[in-house]
Amino acid sequence: AQSVTQPDIHITVSEGASLELRCNYSYGATPYLFWYVQSPGQGLQLLLKYFSGDTLVQGIKGFEAEFKRSQSSFNLRKPSVHWSDAAEYFCAVVGSYNTDKLIFGTGTRLQVFP
Amino acid sequence: EAQVTQNPRYLITVTGKKLTVTCSQNMNHEYMSWYRQDPGLGLRQIYYSMNVEVTDKGDVPEGYKVSRKEKRNFPLILESPSPNQTSLYFCASLGTGGSDYGYTFGSGTRLTVV
Repeated sequence: AQSVTQPDIHITVSEGASLELRCNYSYGATPYLFWYVQSPGQGLQLLLKYFSGDTLVQGIKGFEAEFKRSQSSFNLRKPSVHWSDAAEYFCAVVGSYNTDKLIFGTGTRLQVFP
Repeated sequence: EAQVTQNPRYLITVTGKKLTVTCSQNMNHEYMSWYRQDPGLGLRQIYYSMNVEVTDKGDVPEGYKVSRKEKRNFPLILESPSPNQTSLYFCASLGTGGSDYGYTFGSGTRLTVV
């Protein structure tokens, strides 16, 4: 069965530092991949998505992600974190084109120190 | 504005008292889905619907019902809520138009069952 793993439950960084959030998926073919952000008390906002083509995708708020087929990974990065980036981040995958089911990882909570 | 509207945003109820969470989308999407979000578990699919009068179980359907009598609405029904259904619920609809493929989420419903 398809699955998504976010190995880091909680990450703390200083404002201005770089950030990388890890995501690994389990699926035989190339899935549709997504990153969402959830600020405290808020809903889900799409940061970026990957379907095919260029393996480095740019998203909103200065985020980017790189698809690496050989590692089954889709890690999220930002060169310089802002205090407003403190939130929970979810990686998600659609791995079955028959059901269009969106499968989420368990999330990574990002804390930003000034 | 394209959106998914859920109501209510917050709900506190007592064990066993039937409740309905409404969900409506204005994008003419065929596919809709309900998720629940719990700490450490990410979002898990409860039910989904691929079109009017077509619904199916997701990963955690026990204790829930849904209906899809018209394309825009997909209510979630808890016939006899229990405390273990205390959670944050999200409704979503799926757009499948090529590069626009992706889910639109509602703002969420925070349910507390006492």
